[in-house]
Amino acid sequence: AQSVTQPDIHITVSEGASLELRCNYSYGATPYLFWYVQSPGQGLQLLLKYFSGDTLVQGIKGFEAEFKRSQSSFNLRKPSVHWSDAAEYFCAVLTGTASKLTFGTGTRLQVTL
Amino acid sequence: DSGVTQTPKHLITATGQRVTLRCSPRSGDLSVYWYQQSLDQGLQFLIQYYNGEERAKGNILERFSAQQFPDLHSELNLSSLELGDSALYFCASSRDDEQFFGPGTRLTVL
Repeated sequence: AQSVTQPDIHITVSEGASLELRCNYSYGATPYLFWYVQSPGQGLQLLLKYFSGDTLVQGIKGFEAEFKRSQSSFNLRKPSVHWSDAAEYFCAVLTGTASKLTFGTGTRLQVTL
Repeated sequence: DSGVTQTPKHLITATGQRVTLRCSPRSGDLSVYWYQQSLDQGLQFLIQYYNGEERAKGNILERFSAQQFPDLHSELNLSSLELGDSALYFCASSRDDEQFFGPGTRLTVL
């Protein structure tokens, strides 16, 4: 069965520092992968997605992610974090048969000034 | 703004009651998904509709049901509510494998 693992429940970084959030997936076929962000009291906003092609994908708000098939990973990165990036981040995989998203447990990002 | 609307934003009710959550998808999107977000279960897929027909079911309780109407809006009905049903319920609509989420309905069962 498909699954997504986000090993870090909570990460704290200083404003201006670089960020990497980890995501590992388990899925038999070629995965469709997503990163969503959820600010407190808000819905889920799509940051970026990977379907095929270039394994380094660019998203909104300066985020990027790299798909590594050999490591079953899709880590999210940002070179310089802003205080407004504090939120919860979810990695998800789309399962082809049902077109439903399977989410990881999320990583809460705290940004210190 | 994703273009997906959900009403109400907040709902407070008592155990044993029944509630209806409403979702309007983005213009032109035929698929509607319902997800539940709770502290202990995380984000879980409940059910999907496509152009009025049920397409897939996830971890949806028998006390819960959904439907999609001819105008493509969808309703999620939750009955015989229990304390554990307290959660944030999201609706999403999709086009080309990308899902757009509404702001959610926060349900509190007292």
